[in-house]
Amino acid sequence: GEQVEQRPPHLSVPEGDSAVIICTYTDSATAYFYWYKQEPGAGLQLLMSVFSNVDRKEEQGLTVLLNKKDKQLSLNLTAAHPGDSAVYFCAVSGGTGGYKVVFGSGTRLLVSP
Amino acid sequence: EAAVTQSPRNKVAVTGGKVTLSCNQTNNHNNMYWYRQDTGHGLRLIHYSYGAGSTEKGDIPDGYKASRPSQENFSLILELATPSQTSVYFCASGDLGATGQLYFGEGSKLTVL
Repeated sequence: GEQVEQRPPHLSVPEGDSAVIICTYTDSATAYFYWYKQEPGAGLQLLMSVFSNVDRKEEQGLTVLLNKKDKQLSLNLTAAHPGDSAVYFCAVSGGTGGYKVVFGSGTRLLVSP
Repeated sequence: EAAVTQSPRNKVAVTGGKVTLSCNQTNNHNNMYWYRQDTGHGLRLIHYSYGAGSTEKGDIPDGYKASRPSQENFSLILELATPSQTSVYFCASGDLGATGQLYFGEGSKLTVL
């Protein structure tokens, strides 16, 4: 079945720097790609979603890149601030697994003032 | 605002006991999911459902049963709880095909002694 690897597991950047998180997936039929953010003690909140016909999407300081050839998904937080400190997860669905949504293992991001 | 409510939020159980985690959604979504979250593993899919009366095995179904008696409710059942099932459990609802977004509950922390 689908496998999703996410790296790095921990990321620490100073305020104003960019932070990049990368996921690789295995199912070339995967159709939907997501990035979620988890604050301490809370559930996951959707940051961005992209369909497989999109290579790049930008919203509010976030950039998602999708490289279908390499089966790679990335999230770039430009000019990170301390409020961005959280755990970030990539997720994929819509491949041969149908409605299964498979998550990466998460990246704990710390943005220091 | 989409709403997913889990109960109980915290549960301490004894080994061999029965545990039922409940989830209710007011989103009228067809699909519902149960995940567990453990450090280093991210979110792993236990069971999911396409609608009332249906349950599907996820990636780690052993030791768990699921029940979807209605569109709104999806339960996760541990018939014989074990310490290895100590974790935080998240329920989510969603409908792929649009944004594909999953809406998460706030989690249920289960400790099996």
